[in-house]
Amino acid sequence: GENVEQHPSTLSVQEGDSAVIKCTYSDSASNYFPWYKQELGKRPQLIIDIRSNVGEKKDQRIAVTLNKTAKHFSLHITETQPEDSAVYFCAASADSGGYQKVTFGTGTKLQVIP
Amino acid sequence: SAVISQKPSRDICQRGTSLTIQCQVDSQVTMMFWYRQQPGQSLTLIATANQGSEATYESGFVIDKFPISRPNLTFSTLTVSNMSPEDSSIYLCSVGRGDSSDTQYFGPGTRLTVL
Repeated sequence: GENVEQHPSTLSVQEGDSAVIKCTYSDSASNYFPWYKQELGKRPQLIIDIRSNVGEKKDQRIAVTLNKTAKHFSLHITETQPEDSAVYFCAASADSGGYQKVTFGTGTKLQVIP
Repeated sequence: SAVISQKPSRDICQRGTSLTIQCQVDSQVTMMFWYRQQPGQSLTLIATANQGSEATYESGFVIDKFPISRPNLTFSTLTVSNMSPEDSSIYLCSVGRGDSSDTQYFGPGTRLTVL
């Protein structure tokens, strides 16, 4: 089955700096890579996603890059703000007998220091 | 995205008892999923619920322990049976976007504590 590794497990940055979270996956059949943000006590919220036919996607301060050859993808947050503090999960999705099975990374706790 | 609700939002239960968690969506969806999130951990898929068919369980999860119903395209239940303290977790349902199951949106979760 798919295995998604995520680094770092914790990340502290000063407000205004950039944050980068990196993930690797094992299943070359994975074709969809969502990122979720989970604030304390809240549900995971989709913040950005990328499909395997795209190398990079950007949405305001958030960008994701994908290297299919190396099987890794990254989340970049620029100009970080205190409200970016949360746990971020990467995920990889592949067809699993008629439905897309999503496998989550272990999570990165991001702390933005004002 | 769909509006997803779960009941109960939290519960404290005694070991050996069972709890049924409900997941309601405001629109018809093909795929519904049940996840477990243990404290400070990632999300682990328990099973996939497709309307009109048996749920598909992931390795390590069995129907006797986590029976699932999916009576229609907007509703599903997950039962946690014969609970032990190790079952203390947050249980989340999620739905795929339209007919796609890759983009998933999560319900608010049910925080279960087993004493």
